[in-house]
Amino acid sequence: EAQVTQNPRYLITVTGKKLTVTCSQNMNHEYMSWYRQDPGLGLRQIYYSMNVEVTDKGDVPEGYKVSRKEKRNFPLILESPSPNQTSLYFCASKGGAVYSPLHFGNGTRLTVT
Amino acid sequence: GQNIDQPTEMTATEGAIVQINCTYQTSGFNGLFWYQQHAGEAPTFLSYNVLDGLEEKGRFSSFLSRSKGYSYLLLKELQMKDSASYLCAPLGGAGNMLTFGGGTRLMVKP
Repeated sequence: EAQVTQNPRYLITVTGKKLTVTCSQNMNHEYMSWYRQDPGLGLRQIYYSMNVEVTDKGDVPEGYKVSRKEKRNFPLILESPSPNQTSLYFCASKGGAVYSPLHFGNGTRLTVT
Repeated sequence: GQNIDQPTEMTATEGAIVQINCTYQTSGFNGLFWYQQHAGEAPTFLSYNVLDGLEEKGRFSSFLSRSKGYSYLLLKELQMKDSASYLCAPLGGAGNMLTFGGGTRLMVKP
């Protein structure tokens, strides 16, 4: 089944403790992206990647890192999480055509205390 | 950047028709997507319009007017399961990026 898998689904952590949210897709998509979703602010792009070893900042990259060493994986790294990074995070991928839709993972609800 | 405006909330009755509007401002426009998102779940793709006019897909239709920077999503024969948020997302701007509106939360009542 074609899918985007992100883990964990829920994560509660403390300020400053490094964490990684994994994302993997099995559709051979070149494009992958991370979003955060907050009430009243909608989906905002954190980082995206057009291909292996190519990553770019989205609208809200501060406090986040990503890597794209393999086509299928695009982990999101929070080196020193802070409470304002408490949010619902989605990973997504898409095919190469302009009209290709984004395929989203099931989301990771992160709480930083 | 892109400015996207859609109503925050709408309420409709089961079996009725509802139209969710979206206005946008973007340079280098390359089409507009609509996504459905149930509470706590991932967004799922509904439609893509790049040319003016109406695209029909079963109970859901999407309309685009590029000159007016306007799109709407039309839902017919509403069902309770249509209660969800509907996200308007134009494609364009610097880097040909997809930007999401804040979403319209639709509540379908019996």
